[in-house]
Amino acid sequence: NSKVIQTPRYLVKGQGQKAKMRCIPEKGHPVVFWYQQNKNNEFKFLINFQNQEVLQQIDMTEKRFSAECPSNSPCSLEIQSSEAGDSALYLCASSLGQGANERLFFGHGTKLSVL
Amino acid sequence: QQQVRQSSQSLTVWEGETAILNCSYENSAFDYFPWYQQFPGEGPALLIAIRSVSDKKEDGRFTIFFNKREKNLSLHIKDSQPGDSATYFCAPTSGGNYKPTFGKGTSLVVHP
Repeated sequence: NSKVIQTPRYLVKGQGQKAKMRCIPEKGHPVVFWYQQNKNNEFKFLINFQNQEVLQQIDMTEKRFSAECPSNSPCSLEIQSSEAGDSALYLCASSLGQGANERLFFGHGTKLSVL
Repeated sequence: QQQVRQSSQSLTVWEGETAILNCSYENSAFDYFPWYQQFPGEGPALLIAIRSVSDKKEDGRFTIFFNKREKNLSLHIKDSQPGDSATYFCAPTSGGNYKPTFGKGTSLVVHP
């Protein structure tokens, strides 16, 4: 059973609407990742955090994606103006640290459908 | 440029056979090679992993064979069961840039 909690499981938005999803990492895990998994099973790394600080992120030049991990609150990923191409499974994962041998613990994901 | 390549998009075996899933990579800096298993409707979960200093890692019915010189590895699932039907992802990392790079996955179907 996944201990990384993602909400909602399903999200349906119209084009141009804002889409926001949340993630509670496993207790004691300071590192959080967001990945986008498309219908072809391809993973796209989006961003990762250690506690509240961004470690790495893709070049979100479109600025439609934003994410944060505030202290004592769930992490969140928000798409400001959804597009059809954003339809995907958004996976949150947490880990104990940044070491190369650290396994990722994934949530069930939020399946976003943009109509 | 595809950094991590899983040679088969899908694989079908009969129950009891050994399933072999292959993964190759380009980045010589990768030093940790986990395989994740994903069932429909769920997130991936770590199945087994190997470090680049080893050439074999075994855990029950699952074995990784690793060839550093050739930059490839394989996951062997011995005595495959229908419950092993899932998609398997090779997702190596390097110590200097910890951000797992996922292959496109191999969808395994085990027929009873």
